Amino acid sequence: DAGVIQSPRHEVTEMGQEVTLRCKPISGHNSLFWYRQTMMRGLELLIYFNNNVPIDDSGMPEDRFSAKMPNASFSTLKIQPSEPRDSAVYFCASSWSGTNEQFFGPGTRLTVL
Amino acid sequence: KNEVEQSPQNLTAQEGEFITINCSYSVGISALHWLQQHPGGGIVSLFMLSSGKKKHGRLIATINIQEKHSSLHITASHPRDSAVYICAVTGGSQGNLIFGKGTKLSVKP
Repeated sequence: DAGVIQSPRHEVTEMGQEVTLRCKPISGHNSLFWYRQTMMRGLELLIYFNNNVPIDDSGMPEDRFSAKMPNASFSTLKIQPSEPRDSAVYFCASSWSGTNEQFFGPGTRLTVL
Repeated sequence: KNEVEQSPQNLTAQEGEFITINCSYSVGISALHWLQQHPGGGIVSLFMLSSGKKKHGRLIATINIQEKHSSLHITASHPRDSAVYICAVTGGSQGNLIFGKGTKLSVKP
């Protein structure tokens, strides 16, 4: 298995632009998580899905952030409009909810100028 | 107060030393995870445990549920062990991880 796949690996954009991050979970996993990592706050949950349904989005900073999971093999995290304080590494992770062990993607490093 | 506290924040050791990283948590959990993040940024799961002790190579993880405390031990440390070690917990029926701030370990040759 290729593991969790994220794209792009790096994204540099200007303030105000729309940014879309993509994630393909491990085949057979039914839980998907979006995390953000910054120097100041460390790793924190943004949103997680179980069987393609959002379960907890309390970590989503504000309305500029949205996430979708149209099917079991794909999820997107969108920021519109982006701001410099959104600069961070965004990780996607997946798991089979029965075991709770999570497998992380390589992350997307986002820089908003 | 953070729900997951790690100590120390930074740790420098000489190659060969025995290393201990501690984690305390204040919430009810279904499992505790130890993760490793190398300078390149990738995150790897080392252990997931809900009781007792697990061992993998030179790494040992223990958890005391009553005291809400876990330790990660590295025996015969090596420079390639240099990384950030992160403690995280999953609580109750929720699957999401709650993270500690991490311990940055540097092992000198």
